[in-house]
Amino acid sequence: NAGVTQTPKFQVLKTGQSMTLQCAQDMNHEYMSWYRQDPGMGLRLIHYSVGAGITDQGEVPNGYNVSRSTTEDFPLRLLSAAPSQTSVYFCASSSAGEQETQYFGPGTRLLVL
Amino acid sequence: RKEVEQDPGPFNVPEGATVAFNCTYSNSASQSFFWYRQDCRKEPKLLMSVYSSGNEDGRFTAQLNRASQYISLLIRDSKLSDSATYLCVVNMDFNKFYFGSGTKLNVKP
Repeated sequence: NAGVTQTPKFQVLKTGQSMTLQCAQDMNHEYMSWYRQDPGMGLRLIHYSVGAGITDQGEVPNGYNVSRSTTEDFPLRLLSAAPSQTSVYFCASSSAGEQETQYFGPGTRLLVL
Repeated sequence: RKEVEQDPGPFNVPEGATVAFNCTYSNSASQSFFWYRQDCRKEPKLLMSVYSSGNEDGRFTAQLNRASQYISLLIRDSKLSDSATYLCVVNMDFNKFYFGSGTKLNVKP
C-alpha cells in the first residue's frame, strides 16, 4: 500500500515550457486535491476532484489544468510555466465525509527559471 | 482577508512547557476542522481532528469555539520532537480545505 505518490520529486523548467505533475493513490479515495505551498504561506488549493470525471477550481487555479479519468490518478498540468509557479506542489486524497483525513504525497519541488 | 489565519510564531519554548496556538476562520458555515503537523520540507500529516465538544489525544487538546470562529491547540509537557509547524485546516465547502499559513514551534532543551 503506497498511499499517495507523486512524480517527479524535483523539476526545473524554463519559462514557457509545459509539464505534467503526476499524482496517484491506491486507497480508492473519492476526493483528490492539488495544493501549492510558498514560503511563509500555507497550502493553497489549486484544483480538486470529488470523483472520476469531476473537477473544480480552488483558490489559485490560473495557469493549471487537471483531469480525473480514473479514481487513482489526478495529474496537474502546467501549460506555459512562469517563474511565479515556482513552488512546492502537494497532492492529497481522502474518503468522502467531512471528518475524513487528507493523506498527502511527498511533494514535487518545481523551479521555473 | 485570509480565510484561515494563524500567528506564524515562532514560539520558542523549553522542554516541558505548555504552549497554545489559536486559529481563526472566516466562514461561519464551516463544518470540520483539523490540526496538521508539518516537518521541514515534508508533507503535512494529520495531528488531530477538532470536534465541537473539544477533544484530547495524549498531550494534545483541541477546542472549537463556533461563536467566535476560532480553534485552538494546546500542547502540554512539550517534547523536542514536537518542534514543527502546526497547520490549522478548515473544511469550508464540501471538501474544499483551507489552510492557515502555519505556526512554527521550537522546543528547546
